[in-house]
Amino acid sequence: SQELEQSPQSLIVQEGKNLTINCTSSKTLYGLYWYKQKYGEGLIFLMMLQKGGEEKSHEKITAKLDEKKQQSSLHITASQPSHAGIYLCGADRGRAGGTSYGKLTFGQGTILTVHP
Amino acid sequence: DAGVIQSPRHEVTEMGQEVTLRCKPISGHNSLFWYRQTMMRGLELLIYFNNNVPIDDSGMPEDRFSAKMPNASFSTLKIQPSEPRDSAVYFCASSNPSGRVTDTQYFGPGTRLTVL
Repeated sequence: SQELEQSPQSLIVQEGKNLTINCTSSKTLYGLYWYKQKYGEGLIFLMMLQKGGEEKSHEKITAKLDEKKQQSSLHITASQPSHAGIYLCGADRGRAGGTSYGKLTFGQGTILTVHP
Repeated sequence: DAGVIQSPRHEVTEMGQEVTLRCKPISGHNSLFWYRQTMMRGLELLIYFNNNVPIDDSGMPEDRFSAKMPNASFSTLKIQPSEPRDSAVYFCASSNPSGRVTDTQYFGPGTRLTVL
């Protein structure tokens, strides 16, 4: 969807390097989700961010949502081959009155390759 | 607890044939989503149900596509007649929305459809 832009489209890094994937919305979001997908498999939920300025971490992956709730970043520290896959951000743009829109719009995804 | 179950995992059919994809959501989840993923268009929402009722089918490409949810534990996506451009991976996801809080969607493994 053109409402949600992910960058970069693909990323190749050497094992042990840090990397960042960005997700930008043209509109303020109600919630922002990060998923990981391996080829031929379904999407695995990583993290959800809802509050402006929120930051969450799980193992070596940290996700942040900016104060305006329009941009999110996913940072991987000391990347490993197991981090390889497609990372997708999904946006809930919410409804007037502050409730969930009920459905997500996804970015095009970032293909991450980690060389051992 | 079992995740979202989809069948078949792979389907190869000839143009003009009817195709039926099946989904069993996570028990207790009351929202169900059908997505299509292609290289060109990424992950697109086709239709979603809440409490077995279709809420938004604006993503359904055309009348050849139809979806049903006869009960809380089963949904089908049917394509009749199928065309080569329908070739894609079709995902089903479910969630348990609470209204004020965005709820995580959990994805099935997908059905890879090839229409010859």
